[in-house]
Amino acid sequence: DAGVIQSPRHEVTEMGQEVTLRCKPISGHDYLFWYRQTMMRGLELLIYFNNNVPIDDSGMPEDRFSAKMPNASFSTLKIQPSEPRDSAVYFCATKPGRYDEQYFGPGTRLTVT
Amino acid sequence: SQQGEEDPQALSIQEGENATMNCSYKTSINNLQWYRQNSGRGLVHLILIRSNEREKHSGRLRVTLDTSKKSSSLLITASRAADTASYFCAPFGNEKLTFGTGTRLTIIP
Repeated sequence: DAGVIQSPRHEVTEMGQEVTLRCKPISGHDYLFWYRQTMMRGLELLIYFNNNVPIDDSGMPEDRFSAKMPNASFSTLKIQPSEPRDSAVYFCATKPGRYDEQYFGPGTRLTVT
Repeated sequence: SQQGEEDPQALSIQEGENATMNCSYKTSINNLQWYRQNSGRGLVHLILIRSNEREKHSGRLRVTLDTSKKSSSLLITASRAADTASYFCAPFGNEKLTFGTGTRLTIIP
């Protein structure tokens, strides 16, 4: 298996632009998580899905952030409009079942200027 | 949800020595997981220990769990330069996994 796939790996955009981050989970994994990592705040859980259904989005910073999982093979995290403080590395992680370990993707490094 | 607190925050040792990191948490758990993160990379799962287990080994890694003290430790034996990374513990109860700030381990060649 190729593991969790994220795209793009790097994104540089200007403030106010829309940004879409993509994640392809490992086949058969029922859970998908979006995290954000910065030096100041560490690794923060933004939202997670179970069987494509959003379960907990309490970590989503504000309405500018939205996440979808239209099917078991794909998820997106969208920021609209983007701001410089959104600059971070965004990770997607998946796991097979509730009590299993998580598998992380390589991350998307987002820079908003 | 809960997150673990790793101790120490940073650790530097000579190559070949053993490294020990500790983790404390506050509520009951189903399992506790340890992850490694190399600079600029995603987290990699190292080992999962269930609440009814006291010790687990994987290669050069040894993890202990004391649920009465709500604590865990990760021992890396015969350290190598490639072990330089940040290490996170993640106690898992019944919901989501959250992460603390980790232990930054530096192996000095």
